[in-house]
Amino acid sequence: KAGVTQTPRYLIKTRGQQVTLSCSPISGHRSVSWYQQTPGQGLQFLFEYFSETQRNKGNFPGRFSGRQFSNSRSEMNVSTLELGDSALYLCASSQMLGAYEQYFGPGTRLTVT
Amino acid sequence: AQTVTQSQPEMSVQEAETVTLSCTYDTSESDYYLFWYKQPPSRQMILVIRQEAYKQQNATENRFSVNFQKAAKSFSLKISDSQLGDAAMYFCAYRVPYGNKLVFGAGTILRVKS
Repeated sequence: KAGVTQTPRYLIKTRGQQVTLSCSPISGHRSVSWYQQTPGQGLQFLFEYFSETQRNKGNFPGRFSGRQFSNSRSEMNVSTLELGDSALYLCASSQMLGAYEQYFGPGTRLTVT
Repeated sequence: AQTVTQSQPEMSVQEAETVTLSCTYDTSESDYYLFWYKQPPSRQMILVIRQEAYKQQNATENRFSVNFQKAAKSFSLKISDSQLGDAAMYFCAYRVPYGNKLVFGAGTILRVKS
């Protein structure tokens, strides 16, 4: 079974631009969560989707948004990029809410210049 | 709000020896899950071990075991017979049972010396 895939793996953007990151969960998984990892703030929860509904949201500004499609694939969008948005963005998938196992993708490394 | 604290930014261990990584957490919930994740230089997060709070028995996975002290809100990871491949950043994480949101500690870098 294929693992969680994230595209693109690396991205360089300029301040003020917007970006869309994609996450394809493991086949059959209906829950996708997103995390931001930075050296200063560590791993922080962004949002969680289950069956196309946002179930939980972290403490991030409204510039960060996401959605989940009927095939469980998820996208997150960051508008008006700031230098501080440079980070590794990780997504994790699981079969259901409260499942024992969450499987992480390899991440998307976003650099904002 | 739930918090997770890892007080050891960095640890070193000699190959084949045992090391213990510390983690404490704060929550008002009675039912929750705790995890240890490993993140090697590839940045791929790998689940090492999990513990359900309602289980008194400490979880074990091969060379990895935990010491779960619910009253003290402590969840340490013991790695026995350390191997070079164990070198990585280790994160302790907390999750409530009704969702998938993980709250991570700051991480501990584990170095394994040959």
